[in-house]
Amino acid sequence: SQQGEEDPQALSIQEGENATMNCSYKTSINNLQWYRQNSGRGLVHLILIRSNEREKHSGRLRVTLDTSKKSSSLLITASRAADTASYFCATARSQGGSEKLVFGKGTKLTVNP
Amino acid sequence: NAGVMQNPRHLVRRRGQEARLRCSPMKGHSHVYWYRQLPEEGLKFMVYLQKENIIDESGMPKERFSAEFPKEGPSILRIQQVVRGDSAAYFCASSPLRGGIVLNTEAFFGQGTRLTVV
Repeated sequence: SQQGEEDPQALSIQEGENATMNCSYKTSINNLQWYRQNSGRGLVHLILIRSNEREKHSGRLRVTLDTSKKSSSLLITASRAADTASYFCATARSQGGSEKLVFGKGTKLTVNP
Repeated sequence: NAGVMQNPRHLVRRRGQEARLRCSPMKGHSHVYWYRQLPEEGLKFMVYLQKENIIDESGMPKERFSAEFPKEGPSILRIQQVVRGDSAAYFCASSPLRGGIVLNTEAFFGQGTRLTVV
């Protein structure tokens, strides 16, 4: 399968706690991106990490990338109820003269007030 | 600068009808991607287009589905003779460069068209 895999599939935490989501992939990548999707809505780009980077921060978000293990993690610190959404990782690949994003199945995060 | 615009946002079709989904990329973007999302699933790549050119249609079903991105106007995803299994959310993304997403620029997504086949 070319799909990335996120785990856990679902995560429920209390407001103020940290949320960690993981993503694994199978082929070489150019970059890896994390997106958020609120129920029934479009995708919002959160953060992009290049294949030669190991860690990146954006506000309450921290992303790591381990290309040797073909895995990435997204950490949301001090979570809020508004963070409730599905989170997807997407790997950017060049393949057969084409370039595309390949998405995982997502982690459904619920932050309870 | 308006974002990626998709219309309609919701579309209901009876089995056997045609569905036309439109995507206007961001201003200055000449590359468009279409993705399909089934309920509770991730997005699956369908097709990658440049104006007047299909770059990669490896994710498109062989029958009933077609896509175009003309020199003028929006990109169109066309589904002929729809079946219940076509019910899904269809997302469009645009990028300014050929290979922009692998040159470390993000792809900008529209809000999607939710197709329901009854």
